[in-house]
Amino acid sequence: GENVEQHPSTLSVQEGDSAVIKCTYSDSASNYFPWYKQELGKRPQLIIDIRSNVGEKKDQRIAVTLNKTAKHFSLHITETQPEDSAVYFCAASTTNSGYALNFGKGTSLLVTP
Amino acid sequence: GAVVSQHPSRVICKSGTSVKIECRSLDFQATTMFWYRQFPKQSLMLMATSNEGSKATYEQGVEKDKFLINHASLTLSTLTVTSAHPEDSSFYICSARNRIGTSGGAGAKNIQYFGAGTRLSVL
Repeated sequence: GENVEQHPSTLSVQEGDSAVIKCTYSDSASNYFPWYKQELGKRPQLIIDIRSNVGEKKDQRIAVTLNKTAKHFSLHITETQPEDSAVYFCAASTTNSGYALNFGKGTSLLVTP
Repeated sequence: GAVVSQHPSRVICKSGTSVKIECRSLDFQATTMFWYRQFPKQSLMLMATSNEGSKATYEQGVEKDKFLINHASLTLSTLTVTSAHPEDSSFYICSARNRIGTSGGAGAKNIQYFGAGTRLSVL
């Protein structure tokens, strides 16, 4: 089955700096890669996603890049703010699995003022 | 739009009892819903895929008779933890995949939206 590795497990940055979280996946059939943000005690919220037919997608301060050959994808947050502090999960899925998500272990991001 | 409601939010029960958790998509149709389990400070582990009108597909290591899933309509899936024991205590969270929708943005097709989760404590 699919195995998603996520690094780092914790990340601390100063407000205004950039944060990068990296994930690798094992199943070459995976074609959908969402990123979720989960604040303490709350549900995961989709923040950005990318499909295998594109290499990069950007939404304001958030961007995701995908390298299909190397089977890795990354989340980039620029100009970080304290409210960006949360746990971020990457995931991979395939159309064949009905888009069942295989999650990475998560990255706890702390943005200090 | 794209709201998923999950109830109850918290359950405390005695060992041996069964607990039913409901997952509803409020404003979209979901032919597929997913059930995950999350341990404290850990990731979400897929337990099963719930398909409307058919049997659920369980992940390896998940007991079908222990975690009963029913997906009787396009907006409702239920997970029943049968004869719950303390080791079943966990955070259970569902998600629903939007079958129909516009591309991109909230309510987009095939994106999964999560419920708020159910904290199960078995004494």
